[in-house]
Amino acid sequence: SAVISQKPSRDICQRGTSLTIQCQVDSQVTMMFWYRQQPGQSLTLIATANQGSEATYESGFVIDKFPISRPNLTFSTLTVSNMSPEDSSIYLCSVAGTHNEKLFFGSGTQLSVL
Amino acid sequence: AQKVTQAQTEISVVEKEDVTLDCVYETRDTTYYLFWYKQPPSGELVFLIRRNSFDEQNEISGRYSWNFQKSTSSFNFTITASQVVDSAVYFCALSERGGLTGGGNKLTFGTGTQLKVEL
Repeated sequence: SAVISQKPSRDICQRGTSLTIQCQVDSQVTMMFWYRQQPGQSLTLIATANQGSEATYESGFVIDKFPISRPNLTFSTLTVSNMSPEDSSIYLCSVAGTHNEKLFFGSGTQLSVL
Repeated sequence: AQKVTQAQTEISVVEKEDVTLDCVYETRDTTYYLFWYKQPPSGELVFLIRRNSFDEQNEISGRYSWNFQKSTSSFNFTITASQVVDSAVYFCALSERGGLTGGGNKLTFGTGTQLKVEL
């Protein structure tokens, strides 16, 4: 299994500012995934982050709004830029298991934008 | 495009009752994987089960059981003798084929079913 640590666990931010969320995994993983869970909604994949290459974004998500870094095989960051109240969500980092049999999830970052 | 439908938004039961959570999926892939995750109030997603499209055997794990029926594109989840600790949001998910093997890559989630188990 993989242990994923996400920071911060929650934050309240002002409109127009940016927040960087960190995701640390206790083992090396090829792919890391960032999901968003809007209030009362399901999880939506934002992007897939591979080490050494640019992240792959899903439809509706762009790099300027959600820049992602993946400097090594155990760490990634997601930045939510120029925030608006619509960005208020839980953001979750996830990684695939050793045999790609499932995804492990961090405990998420609860973001509220005022 | 892949889609997962969980028609039950919220279910309330009394402890010790059995409860079934429905999941219907759509995919054009012949190889795919289905998952159930539990999200307790703490927020962390807990993996419950993974099933590949070629294995239609039902599975039982303690009080949990899963019924996979390819003919109806359903993957339902039953909790027997429910307990208060089962209260959570349960998500059904479908993986995209290709890339990594095993299906443990990006997932398409249903909207979740909020289960409330009361004393």
